[in-house]
Amino acid sequence: GQNIDQPTEMTATEGAIVQINCTYQTSGFNGLFWYQQHAGEAPTFLSYNVLDGLEEKGRFSSFLSRSKGYSYLLLKELQMKDSASYLCAGEGGKLIFGQGTELSVKP
Amino acid sequence: GAGVSQSPSNKVTEKGKDVELRCDPISGHTALYWYRQSLGQGLEFLIYFQGNSAPDKSGLPSDRFSAERTGGSVSTLTIQRTQQEDSAVYLCASSVTGQGYNEQFFGPGTRLTVL
Repeated sequence: GQNIDQPTEMTATEGAIVQINCTYQTSGFNGLFWYQQHAGEAPTFLSYNVLDGLEEKGRFSSFLSRSKGYSYLLLKELQMKDSASYLCAGEGGKLIFGQGTELSVKP
Repeated sequence: GAGVSQSPSNKVTEKGKDVELRCDPISGHTALYWYRQSLGQGLEFLIYFQGNSAPDKSGLPSDRFSAERTGGSVSTLTIQRTQQEDSAVYLCASSVTGQGYNEQFFGPGTRLTVL
């Protein structure tokens, strides 16, 4: 199957670090995407992992372990504007999305 | 414009009517995707076009849904005999190619409400 699971919602404090996990059960995924979606807006690209390991991009980092079917998105120095839904998606031509994690950043 | 555009931005229709949703991808992008997002839910894949290949229709929920892509550019998603459960935001995305690191660029979506 191509199940992709993420927590439904998370809450964190401004300035803190938060890790959003994503697990998947699939064969046929070439890599894994993370997208950010603010309420009422279209998703925007954050990261893509095709190899195992950590990809760092400013305040955001993404990790992939293909053998474990596991990925996470790490957000550092949280800002209020980071409050959004974070979507994990497996890539095999088309994207198969998880249901998204709604992150609320509190002051 | 440089991005993916969709029209209309909002569509309200009566149950049983047909609707057409339009997507203009980024020029030069060979891959085009349609997704559906219900309130508070993730994105549900509907259909995927890649160049001149036969489209991947595996996500279409019923035979009331169809899509075409003319001339490798503009795409139209048609929903016949709409039902209330079809109410959702319909998102279109395009990418340079359909494989590998193919960042998908999303349009603003069409919010469909079926009364």
